[in-house]
Amino acid sequence: QQQVKQSPQSLIVQKGGISIINCAYENTAFDYFPWYQQFPGKGPALLIAIRPDVSEKKEGRFTISFNKSAKQFSLHIMDSQPGDSATYFCAAKVGLNNFNKFYFGSGTKLNVKP
Amino acid sequence: GAGVSQSPSNKVTEKGKDVELRCDPISGHTALYWYRQSLGQGLEFLIYFQGNSAPDKSGLPSDRFSAERTGGSVSTLTIQRTQQEDSAVYLCASSRDRPNQPQHFGDGTRLSIL
Repeated sequence: QQQVKQSPQSLIVQKGGISIINCAYENTAFDYFPWYQQFPGKGPALLIAIRPDVSEKKEGRFTISFNKSAKQFSLHIMDSQPGDSATYFCAAKVGLNNFNKFYFGSGTKLNVKP
Repeated sequence: GAGVSQSPSNKVTEKGKDVELRCDPISGHTALYWYRQSLGQGLEFLIYFQGNSAPDKSGLPSDRFSAERTGGSVSTLTIQRTQQEDSAVYLCASSRDRPNQPQHFGDGTRLSIL
């Protein structure tokens, strides 16, 4: 079964608007939640990450909101720009015996219209 | 510094042939992961190497798939008797052996089976 559920599958936002992507999980053993940005023909690149003991993390125009009780986290892109158009993946990591295994959401294709 | 390097960047081969995909991780990264990404889809975990421990092979889709990591550095993913459904982008990622370390991805090998 899919460990991390991501929505929406695609998103169209006007330049200057707020893009919001949501993820949900069930496994309470997850202890690290990164977001990745992927441009066509490139590998995913780390955008921002959060630990479950923090409810919000902001880096520039990118903010992760984390709701531990609801087992949900989301990425907010403020003042969205056409250059933000890419596919975004949420992920969750579980660490066991020094093994760190990552589970990825299915991705959200963001299109920011000028 | 140098990132994760994958080769070849593109590979076209005939059904039934064997292929080898190579990954050079970032120097000093003890963890190495292989993922498969089908067109417009998320990342499917294949295999994970961590230091000298036995690899986590739980994501390999069939016995036609195998991977090795020599000297704790370079890794090779081998697909034997390729099938058309093996067509995808194969991504490699590496990370440090510490808690909450992000994965660094290569740009992948785009494999096309004719």
